[in-house]
Amino acid sequence: DAGITQSPRHKVTETGTPVTLRCHQTENHRYMYWYRQDPGHGLRLIHYSYGVKDTDKGEVSDGYSVSRSKTEDFLLTLESATSSQTSVYFCAISGETETQYFGPGTRLLVL
Amino acid sequence: DQQVKQNSPSLSVQEGRISILNCDYTNSMFDYFLWYKKYPAEGPTFLISISSIKDKNEDGRFTVFLNKSAKHLSLHIVPSQPGDSAVYFCAASSMKTSYDKVIFGPGTSLSVIP
Repeated sequence: DAGITQSPRHKVTETGTPVTLRCHQTENHRYMYWYRQDPGHGLRLIHYSYGVKDTDKGEVSDGYSVSRSKTEDFLLTLESATSSQTSVYFCAISGETETQYFGPGTRLLVL
Repeated sequence: DQQVKQNSPSLSVQEGRISILNCDYTNSMFDYFLWYKKYPAEGPTFLISISSIKDKNEDGRFTVFLNKSAKHLSLHIVPSQPGDSAVYFCAASSMKTSYDKVIFGPGTSLSVIP
């Protein structure tokens, strides 16, 4: 199994509060991704990174920001959480191929 | 507007029979396709992939077929086992545009009945 951890694994927060999710890898892979999974939508890309300090937007980036200051860490921040951001969030990594390896997920509930 | 479609949200199959999961795509630039399997409360795991230069790829009980003219691919599981019960995501990417982006379908939930 690829060495990917996500923290926290579960989070309950209130509308309007900031939330940061962390993804940590031990594989030294160049690419890192954040997805959200919702019923009927599958996995949708929020943001991705192709190197330290190099990030780009995905399909559903509004309301989210990311940072990657080290190869091993990719942070996803919800500046002001909304109920529509209640979801399961997955981090993924990949090397120089299309195959992505996923973390265990973070279940976020915004009340 | 989904670029990768899995029109069957769920599928039930008897143990030992063949499971066929279907996937359609709309973007003709896609040239690499993947299937992922997901158990509840876990992250998706890579299952099998196929490049557009092939029309079939096999790995044990799993075979993926690609029909480029129809923009259709399918995953065959033979024989199906209860442990195969999971959600299966079809995914596609393009080496020509942004190979670091993979588009996922909505998933098909497979139940294999003992």
